[in-house]
Amino acid sequence: DGGITQSPKYLFRKEGQNVTLSCEQNLNHDAMYWYRQDPGQGLRLIYYSQIVNDFQKGDIAEGYSVSREKKESFPLTVTSAQKNPTAFYLCASGARELKTQYFGPGTRLLVL
Amino acid sequence: AQSVTQLDSQVPVFEEAPVELRCNYSSSVSVYLFWYVQYPNQGLQLLLKYLSGSTLVKGINGFEAEFNKSQTSFHLRKPSVHISDTAEYFCAVSDVGQGAQKLVFGQGTRLTINP
Repeated sequence: DGGITQSPKYLFRKEGQNVTLSCEQNLNHDAMYWYRQDPGQGLRLIYYSQIVNDFQKGDIAEGYSVSREKKESFPLTVTSAQKNPTAFYLCASGARELKTQYFGPGTRLLVL
Repeated sequence: AQSVTQLDSQVPVFEEAPVELRCNYSSSVSVYLFWYVQYPNQGLQLLLKYLSGSTLVKGINGFEAEFNKSQTSFHLRKPSVHISDTAEYFCAVSDVGQGAQKLVFGQGTRLTINP
């Protein structure tokens, strides 16, 4: 059953803590993306990766970090430098020839 | 830089009535256009896309959209809505390039279907 999985569904962060959101895909897509969704603001691009061991900053990368050690996985770390991390985080993947991105179910991050 | 404007933040409609969700974009290059749907606390599901060819695009769940290059619009339509169409709808654009496909999203339109 092909698709994109994100875990956990809900995540709680304490002040000063780094947390990592998981994103896995078995669609054999080269590109993967992380978006942040806030109410009334649509989705904004945090980081993206076109190939293993390579990634680029999106529009709102400050306070976030990523890695791409495997084609299937693109974890996002929300660091303590991100002062307003409460949001819904969406991971997506895509293949260049498809010209389309497909989204995972999302992780909601809340601050304690 | 590209931008997307969804002209209505909320659209209430009665069941079985037609609906149009409006989307305008701004770009200095050729674009691909997309509509996604999001149900509460879920990810985005692709409704339809325009890449090239016919400007009238049909998608899932009975939705269609028309690309109008002169008006830089990509409005989404459905002739008869159901309660199950209640959701948030996002219009998105990316440029026709060889590099990474970076999507730019509108702010979303909340479609509410009333019985």
